[in-house]
Amino acid sequence: DVKVTQSSRYLVKRTGEKVFLECVQDMDHENMFWYRQDPGLGLRLIYFSYDVKMKEKGDIPEGYSVSREKKERFSLILESASTNQTSMYLCASNSGLAGDTQYFGPGTRLTVL
Amino acid sequence: GENVEQHPSTLSVQEGDSAVIKCTYSDSASNYFPWYKQELGKRPQLIIDIRSNVGEKKDQRIAVTLNKTAKHFSLHITETQPEDSAVYFCAASQGASGTYKYIFGTGTRLKVLA
Repeated sequence: DVKVTQSSRYLVKRTGEKVFLECVQDMDHENMFWYRQDPGLGLRLIYFSYDVKMKEKGDIPEGYSVSREKKERFSLILESASTNQTSMYLCASNSGLAGDTQYFGPGTRLTVL
Repeated sequence: GENVEQHPSTLSVQEGDSAVIKCTYSDSASNYFPWYKQELGKRPQLIIDIRSNVGEKKDQRIAVTLNKTAKHFSLHITETQPEDSAVYFCAASQGASGTYKYIFGTGTRLKVLA
């Protein structure tokens, strides 16, 4: 059974703080993804990684960066948190094979005050 | 750019009735179409998927149809039950170089009224 975990379920930070969101998967998946979920906007891709140390921008990368030093771990970094980054953040992974399902983590609800 | 439109945004049905959610995609190269269900406070979970070489797929009360010519696909839930109440997301996979990025629809909130 695929397991994708995220470091925090709820997080409250102040404007300007540096924020780290961690995601770990235990299925040796090649691909990992970070999304943010906002009401009425669905799931929007921030960044994804298809290999260790490799990353690609998604649809809304501004204000975010990522790090993938190990295959199982993908970190999302908010260099200087702003109130418009208050959202639900979802991590996902898949094997990278054609048509393989993405498996999601439980999500981190981030509030920036 | 690549886009997936999903309708309706909210849907209320009586228990036992059917529910249909429709999605339209823009990239004709899309070849994989999953549907996810997200219950309140939980992670999205795959409920059914379809590949571009198939026109229809069924799993008990859930079915998905795909019309490649029109570039749309639909989720059908029959004999709805209260536990079907959730947000449903469609997605289209662009599929390139092994990355298989998904483009998600904006979601449909389904309420099944007892």
